Amino acid sequence: GNSVTQMEGPVTLSEEAFLTINCTYTATGYPSLFWYVQYPGEGLQLLLKATKADDKGSNKGFEATYRKETTSFHLEKGSVQVSDSAVYFCALSQRASGSRLTFGEGTQLTVNP
Amino acid sequence: DTAVSQTPKYLVTQMGNDKSIKCEQNLGHDTMYWYKQDSKKFLKIMFSYNNKELIINETVPNRFSPKSPDKAHLNLHINSLELGDSAVYFCASSQPLPTDTQYFGPGTRLTVL
Repeated sequence: GNSVTQMEGPVTLSEEAFLTINCTYTATGYPSLFWYVQYPGEGLQLLLKATKADDKGSNKGFEATYRKETTSFHLEKGSVQVSDSAVYFCALSQRASGSRLTFGEGTQLTVNP
Repeated sequence: DTAVSQTPKYLVTQMGNDKSIKCEQNLGHDTMYWYKQDSKKFLKIMFSYNNKELIINETVPNRFSPKSPDKAHLNLHINSLELGDSAVYFCASSQPLPTDTQYFGPGTRLTVL
């Protein structure tokens, strides 16, 4: 079956540091890939997505590139802010599986001033 | 203006009770989902409906019964609540084309005492 593996957290950074959260997946075919963010006490918000190999998703300074050859979708940001503190989830979906989202474990990011 | 709404936001109840969580979306989407987020923040699909028809039914106790009166609503009824049902339940909706992106509600935090 499909699965998503994220780097273990929590991750603690200082403001303006570079962020990478690793995500790799297992799936047959070509799934769509997503990053969702959950701020404290809130629901999930779509951060960015990519639907085919070599696509780059980007939003709010975050980027991730769909790498079919390494089955990866790593999240990056060049300069994090305190307001980026949240839990980040990598996920995939495939129409063949009813388009359900399969999530990684989530990575807690804390950014200190 | 809320795209996906859930009620109630918090639900505290005793073991053995029956409770319902309601979800509504005004995005015109055909597909709706229920996900469960456990205490470690792990998210897992429970059910999915497409145009009022059940298309995903994961390994969930039959005490959980989804109901979709129309394609804009997907409710979750839980009988004989147990301590292990305590979690945050998220509703989501999506449209298969073009990108299958799912939009989430704010979540319902269920606490069973």
